[in-house]
Amino acid sequence: EVQLVQSGAEVKKPGESLKISCKGSGYTFTNYWIGWVRQMPGKGLELMGIIFPDDSDTRYSPSFQGQVTISADKSISAAYVQWSSLKASDTAMYYCAVGGGNDAFDIWGQGTMVTVSS
Amino acid sequence: QSALTQPASVSGSLGQSITISCTGTSDDVGGYNYVSWYQHHPGKAPKLMIYEVINRPSGVPARFSGSKSGNTASLTISGLQAEDEADYYCSSFTSTTTLGVFGTGTKVTVL
Repeated sequence: EVQLVQSGAEVKKPGESLKISCKGSGYTFTNYWIGWVRQMPGKGLELMGIIFPDDSDTRYSPSFQGQVTISADKSISAAYVQWSSLKASDTAMYYCAVGGGNDAFDIWGQGTMVTVSS
Repeated sequence: QSALTQPASVSGSLGQSITISCTGTSDDVGGYNYVSWYQHHPGKAPKLMIYEVINRPSGVPARFSGSKSGNTASLTISGLQAEDEADYYCSSFTSTTTLGVFGTGTKVTVL
């Protein structure tokens, strides 16, 4: 079965760092782009960026450039998004999904809820 | 990059047909056949319903169909079912960023 499994919910304080993960299985992880999508409370879906795990080619949506770092470790079929200094406005549900660029997101992870509060 | 424009809400009775529009520009919807549609039930992961404007992934009911005219793409649900009540998002490749961009989202209510 093709699936993406994301790390669990996080509760952090402003200024803290965080790295969440997305682990793929059931397909050749290195052959497909992985995207990260944010959904803030009560808001719509926003594409943060995409990464090609085979060579870590990474592209960011303009709003997220410099705000997060997307990475991948193809040896363990995992993709990540990390923050060096969280803000309350980073509170959101984060999804990873297979696809990006020209390709639709056809497989989605279950989501990771990140709450940033003092 | 601005989000694609969708109506905030659309409603219909059981068995009726509804259409959700998704308006962009010639840099995205109008310029490429890389429009996709996602169904999102609260608390669950989004689900791909249509890709490349008109194509349905395996397992998606035939009552879901997609189309495009100019800079506007559309998702039609024929024979509305209770389980179709959800949020729907379009997405398109955009030459502005060479990434995808989502629509603003449409809440579908089944009366």
